[in-house]
Amino acid sequence: DQQVKQNSPSLSVQEGRISILNCDYTNSMFDYFLWYKKYPAEGPTFLISISSIKDKNEDGRFTVFLNKSAKHLSLHIVPSQPGDSAVYFCAAMDNYGQNFVFGPGTRLSVLP
Amino acid sequence: ETGVTQTPRHLVMGMTNKKSLKCEQHLGHNAMYWYKQSAKKPLELMFVYNFKEQTENNSVPSRFSPECPNSSHLFLHLHTLQPEDSALYLCDSSQVAGGPTGELFFGEGSRLTVL
Repeated sequence: DQQVKQNSPSLSVQEGRISILNCDYTNSMFDYFLWYKKYPAEGPTFLISISSIKDKNEDGRFTVFLNKSAKHLSLHIVPSQPGDSAVYFCAAMDNYGQNFVFGPGTRLSVLP
Repeated sequence: ETGVTQTPRHLVMGMTNKKSLKCEQHLGHNAMYWYKQSAKKPLELMFVYNFKEQTENNSVPSRFSPECPNSSHLFLHLHTLQPEDSALYLCDSSQVAGGPTGELFFGEGSRLTVL
């Protein structure tokens, strides 16, 4: 049973537009969420995180929104750039770090 | 089934002990990685091995010593650790040349507790 889901395996967006990557989770014990970006043959790079006490966290072009009641979070990239093309992974963690789960990833392609 | 197996899943050790974590993959990948996952912190890349050669050491203290005898196995030898080293240690592998790209093949992790 997947505890962290990213239902869109791929997404294509035009350069300059907004990219919205979605993530859903099932475990109500998760209270800290992270987004990672991964290029081929490299390890994941941390992008942004959000604690369950917040509903929004912003860092430059990246904003993460958390809807606890819906167990849903999303990553917004504005404006999207060709260099943003990569696979994006959502991850979730419980309060004690005992349970840390990655989603399956969404491949983002930003078209020039 | 992730394709990447880590043992042991749980390890408790004293500060003077010497132990090892093991990672094994039979996915035909040529790159393997060790990460440290502490509570409420982003994943930290520790070591990268590419075709059995260490290509990255992310300023990791010498009390952590990696070993990659072949492309399928990766070890993390632990000695004289500190309590702050308690964390989940994750192994990952990826195809270096050709094949699927961007996928994650993490093991389930080894939960380390240093007393």
